[in-house]
Amino acid sequence: QKEVEQDPGPLSVPEGAIVSLNCTYSNSAFQYFMWYRQYSRKGPELLMYTYSSGNKEDGRFTAQVDKSSKYISLFIRDSQPSDSATYLCAITSGNTGKLIFGQGTTLQVKP
Amino acid sequence: GAVVSQHPSRVICKSGTSVKIECRSLDFQATTMFWYRQFPKQSLMLMATSNEGSKATYEQGVEKDKFLINHASLTLSTLTVTSAHPEDSSFYICSANPGTSGSTDTQYFGPGTRLTVL
Repeated sequence: QKEVEQDPGPLSVPEGAIVSLNCTYSNSAFQYFMWYRQYSRKGPELLMYTYSSGNKEDGRFTAQVDKSSKYISLFIRDSQPSDSATYLCAITSGNTGKLIFGQGTTLQVKP
Repeated sequence: GAVVSQHPSRVICKSGTSVKIECRSLDFQATTMFWYRQFPKQSLMLMATSNEGSKATYEQGVEKDKFLINHASLTLSTLTVTSAHPEDSSFYICSANPGTSGSTDTQYFGPGTRLTVL
């Protein structure tokens, strides 16, 4: 079993839709959760960083963590074509600083 | 914000040659840097953790004699792919952690280096 599972998609939605991206993880020792956005042939860009169960909102993005279910989500409201990218969840226990990435979900927002 | 650069952005080399990739933190000091490899349509796989002034820690299955890492200063880490072969062709990405080793501070990623070995 992989430590982090993420549906690779691809996911295609119309402009303005609400997008839901999800990851599950297996080890309850993981305490810090991140979402990165990666455009083609570029390095990942940090979108959200959370460490507790609940919701964290930043503009059109909301990160949700459910530690009891080992489930994390990223919601994108009013999706735009510029949101088309690969979204990677990443988790860490915080002890070593090492991140474990999900496979990444490719999102396409059509105008 | 925190900026990490990589050089070169793209390199093409012949099989058997060595290639050096530089990773620099431009506006902060990084005691810890990480090197990842990413194959097409796959996620990032951690290769090694680079600590300033000490030996790198390699992940299981990564050959330390093939992928030489030097973290000589708080703003520069280098990855040298020695005797590169076509199977080493990949997208290499570094990240830097502004905090101390083991900190939960977020990692900031470089733009990546695309290596093609002919």
